[in-house]
Amino acid sequence: GEDVEQSLFLSVREGDSSVINCTYTDSSSTYLYWYKQEPGAGLQLLTYIFSNMDMKQDQRLTVLLNKKDKHLSLRIADTQTGDSAIYFCAERGYGGSQGNLIFGKGTKLSVKP
Amino acid sequence: EADIYQTPRYLVIGTGKKITLECSQTMGHDKMYWYQQDPGMELHLIHYSYGVNSTEKGDLSSESTVSRIRTEHFPLTLESARPSHTSQYLCASSELYSGNTIYFGEGSWLTVV
Repeated sequence: GEDVEQSLFLSVREGDSSVINCTYTDSSSTYLYWYKQEPGAGLQLLTYIFSNMDMKQDQRLTVLLNKKDKHLSLRIADTQTGDSAIYFCAERGYGGSQGNLIFGKGTKLSVKP
Repeated sequence: EADIYQTPRYLVIGTGKKITLECSQTMGHDKMYWYQQDPGMELHLIHYSYGVNSTEKGDLSSESTVSRIRTEHFPLTLESARPSHTSQYLCASSELYSGNTIYFGEGSWLTVV
């Protein structure tokens, strides 16, 4: 079945770049997403990429997609303490998930001053 | 910015009580969702709806029920709350067709004592 995997934790120093990685299994996925969740809050859409793209850049965020390896990454340049949050990778699946989003377990990013 | 609202944000109730978590969106979205998330943990889809009078069960079995009498409103009800229902409940909505972004509310934190 469809599955999305991410590492659970990442720790970086303020000012460094952060790279959060994600792998997925559904080769029919057409859209892949990155969501951010701050403590006690809902999920905020950060960015998404269509499957026919290799890269998408939006200010400090760069998304890279390797469709052959089913690997997605989110790079945050000049990471700030305000970037500390849980980051969820998600794909829109079309198998048993009825077109609903399938989320990874989330990567907790800690930014040290 | 998404226009999707959840009430209450925080609720502490006793075992056996009936509760309803409210969710409303003003974007005219046909599809709505409820996710359950334990603190710092992955999201589980428990209910979704394609539109008025449509309700579907998600990936995680839940004792809660939902209704969709109006497009903008998707309440979730627990007839008899138990401590095992303690969790965060996130409501979300999207347009019906593929690729459309899912927007989340701020979440409702439920504690059953």
